[in-house]
Formats: sequence, structure tokens, C-alpha cells
Amino acid sequence: QVNLLQSGAALVKPGASVKLSCKASGYTFTDYYIHWVKQSHGKSLEWIGYINPNSGYTNYNEKFKSKATLTVDKSTNTAYMELSRLTSEDSATYYCTGETTYFDYWGQGVMVTVSS
Amino acid sequence: EIVLTQSPTTIAASPGEKVTITCRASSSVSYMYWYQQKPGASPKPWIYDTSKLASGVPNRFSGSGSGTSYSLTINTMETEDAATYYCQQWSSTPPTWTFGGGTKLELK
Repeated sequence: QVNLLQSGAALVKPGASVKLSCKASGYTFTDYYIHWVKQSHGKSLEWIGYINPNSGYTNYNEKFKSKATLTVDKSTNTAYMELSRLTSEDSATYYCTGETTYFDYWGQGVMVTVSS
Repeated sequence: EIVLTQSPTTIAASPGEKVTITCRASSSVSYMYWYQQKPGASPKPWIYDTSKLASGVPNRFSGSGSGTSYSLTINTMETEDAATYYCQQWSSTPPTWTFGGGTKLELK
């Protein structure tokens, strides 16, 4: 079965960067685009962007263009999202999700806390 | 950018009650998607292409709508349906995905 396994929770200092991972299994990695979604505590969902694992092509929500960088490593079936220049506004749970025609498969989410 | 507005924000229903959640788009969209999320869990796909139930979704759920107005209906509320529901749309130019603010469905 399809599984997206995300890295563990992260506590990072303001101004630092963090790289989150999303390891795919149970399907051909290049079959689904991988999207990333942000959910601030108690709030709704925000789409950050997606990556085509086959070509590496990316597309970002304008709001996150200078915040997030999406990459993949096809040799390990892993997608990554790096968040830079972190502030308290970046404290949230981040999900990776695989898209067929909608967001079919979701990782378990990873909580990022930005605090000194 | 298309904005999705869900109503109500919160609703309480008793078992057996009919429940309707609405999602209004700021511009016309072709399809609407719905996700269910319970506390501490990832969202789950619930309804896709406006009216098709995702795998495992009970048939007491239905989706409908067109243009700028869409809805998710539960024919008879059950305790396990208590959750937050989000609508979502996709725009092609430029490619963007947008979620509604969510509707929290509580058990009365």
C-alpha cells in the first residue's frame, strides 16, 4: 500500500533553516506529484507547492516562493522541503501528499517549532 | 486567486440528523474536493470531482454543486462523522490549490 513517511518533529531557532523529508513506498515514486501543505495550529490548510518527481519541475504558491524549496532524490524515493529564514509564523505542521487527481495520500505530518 | 469560504464554521448535530456544509468560491470552479480531518490526524480524501466518494467513505455522504456553490451533505449523522471538513479547488492558470477555512462538525 502507498505510504508517505515523514521525518520527525523539529525544533529550530529563528533565522535558521530546516529540511523536512517524505519517504515514499508502495508505488512507483515518479507516478505521483508530491505536494506540501502547511497547517498552523488550529488553522486551515495552505498549499505550499508541488514537485514532479520525474522531472524535478516545481511550482510554488506565491506566498511560499522565497520560503520553501522542494527537491527529490529518486534513488531513495524521498521528497524534501527546505524552509529558510524561519520565524514564529513558520511554526506549524507540514504534510506531504501524493496527487493522482486529488490529494490521495498523506504523510503523517511533521511539527516544526521555531523558538529560541 | 480563488478564495473558498465555508459555512458554517462550526455546526453541532445529533445522530440521525441531516447535515449540510457549504463551500462558496470567489470565482467559478469546475470541481470541488473535500477532505475530512480528525484531531491529531492527517486529512483524508473524502469527496472528489464534486460528487464522487473516495474509497471507504460511507454512502450517507454526498457532494453536489457547480459554478461557485458546492456542498457536502451527510444524510444521517453518525458519531464517527464528527470531524473538520475542508473544501479544496484546483486552478490551472497558474496551477494553484486552495483550501477553504474548514467546518468543524461536532456531536450534539
